[in-house]
Amino acid sequence: NAGVTQTPKFQVLKTGQSMTLQCAQDMNHEYMSWYRQDPGMGLRLIHYSVGAGITDQGEVPNGYNVSRSTTEDFPLRLLSAAPSQTSVYFCASSKDRRELFFGEGSRLTVL
Amino acid sequence: SQQGEEDPQALSIQEGENATMNCSYKTSINNLQWYRQNSGRGLVHLILIRSNEREKHSGRLRVTLDTSKKSSSLLITASRAADTASYFCATEIKAAGNKLTFGGGTRVLVKP
Repeated sequence: NAGVTQTPKFQVLKTGQSMTLQCAQDMNHEYMSWYRQDPGMGLRLIHYSVGAGITDQGEVPNGYNVSRSTTEDFPLRLLSAAPSQTSVYFCASSKDRRELFFGEGSRLTVL
Repeated sequence: SQQGEEDPQALSIQEGENATMNCSYKTSINNLQWYRQNSGRGLVHLILIRSNEREKHSGRLRVTLDTSKKSSSLLITASRAADTASYFCATEIKAAGNKLTFGGGTRVLVKP
């Protein structure tokens, strides 16, 4: 049972480049979300989805896009990377938002 | 500022001692959860306490919730070196579409 899988684990981008962080879960969870973790800031919610075709914004959505075409996948797109987006990104899924299952994180550096 | 804030930010104890950390929040919640994060890893769910519960146990973990003070505490009894991690509280906020909001975490070091 793989749980929540995030790729890539590490990525270095130049300012202005775009990329997609992939997230897949095999637990048939309806709820999926993306967080970013910065030192001393805890985790901040970027976007979330309560099911295929439904997405909504979290606390810090600017500069990020998401889509949810299947139950399993919830990719996070950075449209034009900025140094302020240097962070560790976590994808999480849940049956009912009451117990989140997290991936191992994607460490992004924007130069 | 964040909905949930943990205190202390860091804690260092000897193996076998108890570790206590606190979480304060600002607005009404449906439930409060605690998560553990080992260095360089994802978060792992530990325990959930609902707003109408006052205390909950899970193995060596004891969580209390005081909704009148808008605070929760996590107690780890008889700590082990393997308990070294960061611990986060997360609150499901009624007024924010039931979104889950995390605090900044408490870093716990258990010395053997």
